[in-house]
Amino acid sequence: GAGVSQSPSNKVTEKGKDVELRCDPISGHTALYWYRQSLGQGLEFLIYFQGNSAPDKSGLPSDRFSAERTGGSVSTLTIQRTQQEDSAVYLCASSLGRGYEQFFGPGTRLTVL
Amino acid sequence: GENVEQHPSTLSVQEGDSAVIKCTYSDSASNYFPWYKQELGKRPQLIIDIRSNVGEKKDQRIAVTLNKTAKHFSLHITETQPEDSAVYFCAASIAGNYGQNFVFGPGTRLSVLP
Repeated sequence: GAGVSQSPSNKVTEKGKDVELRCDPISGHTALYWYRQSLGQGLEFLIYFQGNSAPDKSGLPSDRFSAERTGGSVSTLTIQRTQQEDSAVYLCASSLGRGYEQFFGPGTRLTVL
Repeated sequence: GENVEQHPSTLSVQEGDSAVIKCTYSDSASNYFPWYKQELGKRPQLIIDIRSNVGEKKDQRIAVTLNKTAKHFSLHITETQPEDSAVYFCAASIAGNYGQNFVFGPGTRLSVLP
């Protein structure tokens, strides 16, 4: 079956613009996670969804970052007024629920000029 | 909250030798410990995991050991091959019914030299 997909694969934007990143989880996976990975660094947790609700937003770095999930499936991560330090690969993962293996998407490479 | 440390940050071994990566965690209630492998430019993928009710698990050339008392777990790769070169992340589950699933370690960059 299809794995986790993300779009776009690459996004180049100018400082100050807003961007929207999309994640399509594996069908039937109720849990969805967003991570940020800067070049050569580890996985920085951003937000976790269980169904449509986000019980854990503790990793969002500022109020410029927001995310939503509709229909218990697709999720979008929005970054407003992008800054150069937002440049990174944004990874989405999904799992059957808490305590289950997370399957990662291919990521979106964001470059803010 | 949970804190996961991982050592070493980089590791170079000769092809055919063994590699060991160690992680420690802080929350004694953690009960699930996955290991992910991330090749250059690729997504992280699960390679092996262990739950707290067992002390060791093996899958061909890779194995994971868990010491609950000491709160540490290790990844062992035997007969290393060039394709084992990647960044490896350990993770520990977070107890409770709310909040995110895992805390990841900072990663270990393994290089297998031919």
